[in-house]
Amino acid sequence: DVVMTQSPLSLPVTLGQPASISCRSSQSLVGSDGVTYLHWFQQRPGQSPRRLIYKASNRDSGVPDRFSGSGSGTEFTLKISRVEAEDVAVYYCMQGSHWPPTFGGGTKVDIK
Amino acid sequence: QVQLQESGPGLVKPSETLSLTCTVSGGSISNYYWSWIRQPPGKGLEWMGYIYYSGSTNYTPSLKSRLTISVDTSKNQFSLELSSVTDADTGVYYCARGRWELPYWGQGTLVTVSS
Repeated sequence: DVVMTQSPLSLPVTLGQPASISCRSSQSLVGSDGVTYLHWFQQRPGQSPRRLIYKASNRDSGVPDRFSGSGSGTEFTLKISRVEAEDVAVYYCMQGSHWPPTFGGGTKVDIK
Repeated sequence: QVQLQESGPGLVKPSETLSLTCTVSGGSISNYYWSWIRQPPGKGLEWMGYIYYSGSTNYTPSLKSRLTISVDTSKNQFSLELSSVTDADTGVYYCARGRWELPYWGQGTLVTVSS
Protein backbone atom coordinates (compact mmCIF):
# COMPACT_ATOMS: atom_id res chain seq x y z
CA ASP A 1 0.00 0.00 0.00
CA VAL A 2 1.08 3.59 -0.59
CA VAL A 3 2.06 5.13 2.73
CA MET A 4 1.01 8.74 3.24
CA THR A 5 3.12 10.58 5.82
CA GLN A 6 1.91 13.91 7.16
CA SER A 7 3.90 16.43 9.16
CA PRO A 8 3.71 17.90 11.63
CA LEU A 9 1.34 15.80 13.75
CA SER A 10 0.29 18.90 15.67
CA LEU A 11 0.39 22.52 14.56
CA PRO A 12 -0.38 25.32 17.02
CA VAL A 13 -0.95 28.54 15.09
CA THR A 14 -1.61 32.15 16.09
CA LEU A 15 -4.84 33.57 14.69
CA GLY A 16 -4.18 35.44 11.47
CA GLN A 17 -0.89 33.68 10.86
CA PRO A 18 -0.19 31.17 8.06
CA ALA A 19 -0.06 27.42 8.46
CA SER A 20 1.47 24.75 6.26
CA ILE A 21 0.95 20.98 6.33
CA SER A 22 3.13 18.52 4.44
CA CYS A 23 2.04 15.21 2.95
CA ARG A 24 4.53 12.78 1.45
CA SER A 25 3.69 9.59 -0.40
CA SER A 26 5.82 6.46 -0.67
CA GLN A 27 5.23 6.39 -4.43
CA SER A 28 4.56 8.99 -7.07
CA LEU A 29 0.87 9.87 -7.18
CA VAL A 30 0.80 10.58 -10.90
CA GLY A 31 -1.80 8.07 -12.03
CA SER A 32 -1.77 5.99 -15.20
CA ASP A 33 -4.06 8.62 -16.72
CA GLY A 34 -1.64 11.40 -15.85
CA VAL A 35 -3.88 12.74 -13.10
CA THR A 36 -2.69 13.19 -9.54
CA TYR A 37 -5.38 11.88 -7.20
CA LEU A 38 -4.29 13.62 -4.02
CA HIS A 39 -7.03 15.19 -1.93
CA TRP A 40 -7.16 17.12 1.33
CA PHE A 41 -9.91 16.77 3.93
CA GLN A 42 -10.78 18.83 7.00
CA GLN A 43 -12.39 17.19 10.02
CA ARG A 44 -13.61 19.64 12.64
CA PRO A 45 -14.20 18.33 16.16
CA GLY A 46 -17.26 16.10 16.26
CA GLN A 47 -17.90 16.40 12.52
CA SER A 48 -17.47 14.22 9.49
CA PRO A 49 -14.63 14.94 7.08
CA ARG A 50 -15.11 17.60 4.42
CA ARG A 51 -13.11 17.72 1.22
CA LEU A 52 -11.22 20.98 0.75
CA ILE A 53 -8.87 20.30 -2.15
CA TYR A 54 -9.04 17.70 -4.90
CA LYS A 55 -6.41 16.57 -7.41
CA ALA A 56 -3.69 18.33 -5.43
CA SER A 57 -4.60 21.93 -6.12
CA ASN A 58 -8.31 22.39 -6.92
CA ARG A 59 -10.36 24.07 -4.23
CA ASP A 60 -13.85 22.70 -3.64
CA SER A 61 -16.88 24.94 -3.97
CA GLY A 62 -17.50 26.98 -0.84
CA VAL A 63 -13.99 26.50 0.53
CA PRO A 64 -12.43 29.84 1.54
CA ASP A 65 -9.63 30.99 -0.72
CA ARG A 66 -7.23 31.12 2.23
CA PHE A 67 -6.88 27.35 1.67
CA SER A 68 -4.59 26.23 -1.14
CA GLY A 69 -3.01 22.97 -2.23
CA SER A 70 0.17 22.42 -4.16
CA GLY A 71 2.71 19.77 -4.98
CA SER A 72 3.40 16.95 -7.36
CA GLY A 73 4.93 13.50 -7.49
CA THR A 74 5.44 12.50 -3.88
CA GLU A 75 5.37 15.82 -2.01
CA PHE A 76 2.28 17.89 -1.37
CA THR A 77 1.36 20.85 0.80
CA LEU A 78 -1.82 22.32 2.21
CA LYS A 79 -1.51 25.98 3.15
CA ILE A 80 -3.81 28.22 5.13
CA SER A 81 -2.84 31.82 4.43
CA ARG A 82 -4.37 33.29 7.60
CA VAL A 83 -5.71 30.90 10.19
CA GLU A 84 -9.15 31.62 11.61
CA ALA A 85 -10.81 30.08 14.66
CA GLU A 86 -13.07 27.93 12.46
CA ASP A 87 -9.98 26.26 10.96
CA VAL A 88 -9.33 24.30 14.16
CA ALA A 89 -9.53 20.74 12.87
CA VAL A 90 -7.59 17.66 11.86
CA TYR A 91 -6.47 17.73 8.25
CA TYR A 92 -5.94 14.55 6.23
CA CYS A 93 -4.39 13.95 2.85
CA MET A 94 -5.58 10.97 0.82
CA GLN A 95 -4.34 9.32 -2.34
CA GLY A 96 -6.50 7.59 -4.92
CA SER A 97 -3.82 7.02 -7.55
CA HIS A 98 -2.84 3.55 -6.35
CA TRP A 99 -4.90 0.65 -5.02
CA PRO A 100 -6.07 0.71 -2.28
CA PRO A 101 -6.76 4.36 -1.48
CA THR A 102 -4.93 5.46 1.66
CA PHE A 103 -5.08 8.37 4.08
CA GLY A 104 -2.34 10.18 5.90
CA GLY A 105 -2.35 10.02 9.67
CA GLY A 106 -3.68 13.54 10.08
CA THR A 107 -2.40 16.90 11.30
CA LYS A 108 -4.16 18.63 14.18
CA VAL A 109 -4.33 22.41 13.81
CA ASP A 110 -5.26 24.42 16.88
CA ILE A 111 -4.89 27.96 18.12
CA LYS A 112 -1.79 28.91 20.07
CA GLN B 1 -27.34 19.10 -2.55
CA VAL B 2 -26.87 15.37 -2.10
CA GLN B 3 -27.08 14.15 1.50
CA LEU B 4 -26.08 10.81 2.98
CA GLN B 5 -27.30 9.25 6.22
CA GLU B 6 -25.92 6.13 7.85
CA SER B 7 -28.15 3.89 9.94
CA GLY B 8 -27.83 0.62 11.80
CA PRO B 9 -27.18 -0.94 15.21
CA GLY B 10 -24.77 0.91 17.45
CA LEU B 11 -23.74 -2.24 19.30
CA VAL B 12 -22.57 -5.52 17.78
CA LYS B 13 -21.30 -8.61 19.60
CA PRO B 14 -17.86 -10.05 18.81
CA SER B 15 -17.86 -12.65 16.02
CA GLU B 16 -21.19 -11.36 14.69
CA THR B 17 -21.89 -9.33 11.52
CA LEU B 18 -21.98 -5.55 11.48
CA SER B 19 -24.65 -4.22 9.09
CA LEU B 20 -25.14 -0.60 8.10
CA THR B 21 -27.19 1.20 5.46
CA CYS B 22 -26.55 4.53 3.81
CA THR B 23 -29.57 6.40 2.47
CA VAL B 24 -28.92 8.94 -0.27
CA SER B 25 -31.23 11.93 -0.64
CA GLY B 26 -31.19 15.00 -2.85
CA GLY B 27 -29.96 13.02 -5.82
CA SER B 28 -29.98 9.64 -7.47
CA ILE B 29 -27.69 6.82 -6.50
CA SER B 30 -27.41 5.96 -10.19
CA ASN B 31 -24.32 6.71 -12.23
CA TYR B 32 -22.07 7.14 -9.19
CA TYR B 33 -19.66 5.18 -7.04
CA TRP B 34 -20.32 4.97 -3.30
CA SER B 35 -17.84 4.20 -0.55
CA TRP B 36 -17.51 3.26 3.09
CA ILE B 37 -14.78 4.72 5.31
CA ARG B 38 -14.26 4.11 9.00
CA GLN B 39 -12.47 5.78 11.90
CA PRO B 40 -11.48 4.02 15.14
CA PRO B 41 -11.97 6.17 18.25
CA GLY B 42 -9.34 8.91 18.38
CA LYS B 43 -7.59 7.63 15.27
CA GLY B 44 -7.35 8.31 11.56
CA LEU B 45 -9.45 7.35 8.55
CA GLU B 46 -9.49 3.97 6.81
CA TRP B 47 -11.04 3.55 3.36
CA MET B 48 -12.93 0.26 3.21
CA GLY B 49 -14.45 -0.27 -0.21
CA TYR B 50 -16.79 1.00 -2.88
CA ILE B 51 -19.74 -0.05 -5.01
CA TYR B 52 -20.93 1.25 -8.36
CA TYR B 53 -24.68 1.74 -8.76
CA SER B 54 -24.67 -1.21 -11.14
CA GLY B 55 -23.43 -3.46 -8.33
CA SER B 56 -19.73 -3.87 -9.11
CA THR B 57 -17.55 -3.65 -6.02
CA ASN B 58 -13.98 -3.30 -4.88
CA TYR B 59 -12.66 -3.78 -1.34
CA THR B 60 -9.46 -2.91 0.41
CA PRO B 61 -7.38 -6.13 0.64
CA SER B 62 -7.20 -6.18 4.44
CA LEU B 63 -11.01 -6.42 4.70
CA LYS B 64 -11.83 -8.29 1.51
CA SER B 65 -12.56 -11.61 3.19
CA ARG B 66 -15.07 -10.08 5.64
CA LEU B 67 -16.63 -7.16 3.75
CA THR B 68 -19.67 -7.06 1.48
CA ILE B 69 -21.13 -3.88 0.01
CA SER B 70 -24.46 -3.99 -1.80
CA VAL B 71 -26.80 -1.48 -3.44
CA ASP B 72 -30.57 -1.08 -3.72
CA THR B 73 -31.27 1.49 -6.39
CA SER B 74 -35.05 1.31 -5.82
CA LYS B 75 -34.50 2.63 -2.29
CA ASN B 76 -31.56 4.90 -3.15
CA GLN B 77 -29.52 3.02 -0.56
CA PHE B 78 -26.31 1.08 -0.30
CA SER B 79 -25.22 -1.15 2.53
CA LEU B 80 -22.22 -2.62 4.30
CA GLU B 81 -21.83 -5.98 6.00
CA LEU B 82 -18.67 -6.78 7.94
CA SER B 83 -18.52 -10.30 9.30
CA SER B 84 -16.67 -11.84 12.26
CA VAL B 85 -16.17 -8.50 13.98
CA THR B 86 -13.75 -7.92 16.84
CA ASP B 87 -13.19 -4.92 19.06
CA ALA B 88 -10.77 -3.62 16.42
CA ASP B 89 -13.83 -2.94 14.27
CA THR B 90 -15.20 -0.43 16.78
CA GLY B 91 -15.40 3.07 15.35
CA VAL B 92 -17.38 5.61 13.40
CA TYR B 93 -18.48 4.39 9.99
CA TYR B 94 -19.00 6.92 7.21
CA CYS B 95 -20.60 6.54 3.83
CA ALA B 96 -19.53 8.84 1.02
CA ARG B 97 -20.05 9.42 -2.68
CA GLY B 98 -17.26 8.43 -5.02
CA ARG B 99 -14.35 6.00 -4.87
CA TRP B 100 -11.50 8.25 -3.78
CA GLU B 101 -13.02 11.58 -4.85
CA LEU B 102 -15.33 11.64 -1.81
CA PRO B 103 -16.90 15.11 -2.15
CA TYR B 104 -19.92 14.21 -0.01
CA TRP B 105 -19.97 12.36 3.32
CA GLY B 106 -22.59 11.23 5.78
CA GLN B 107 -22.45 12.35 9.40
CA GLY B 108 -21.17 8.95 10.49
CA THR B 109 -22.49 6.37 12.89
CA LEU B 110 -20.66 4.93 15.88
CA VAL B 111 -20.52 1.15 16.08
CA THR B 112 -19.20 -0.50 19.20
CA VAL B 113 -18.19 -4.14 19.22
CA SER B 114 -18.74 -5.52 22.70
CA SER B 115 -20.37 -8.45 24.42
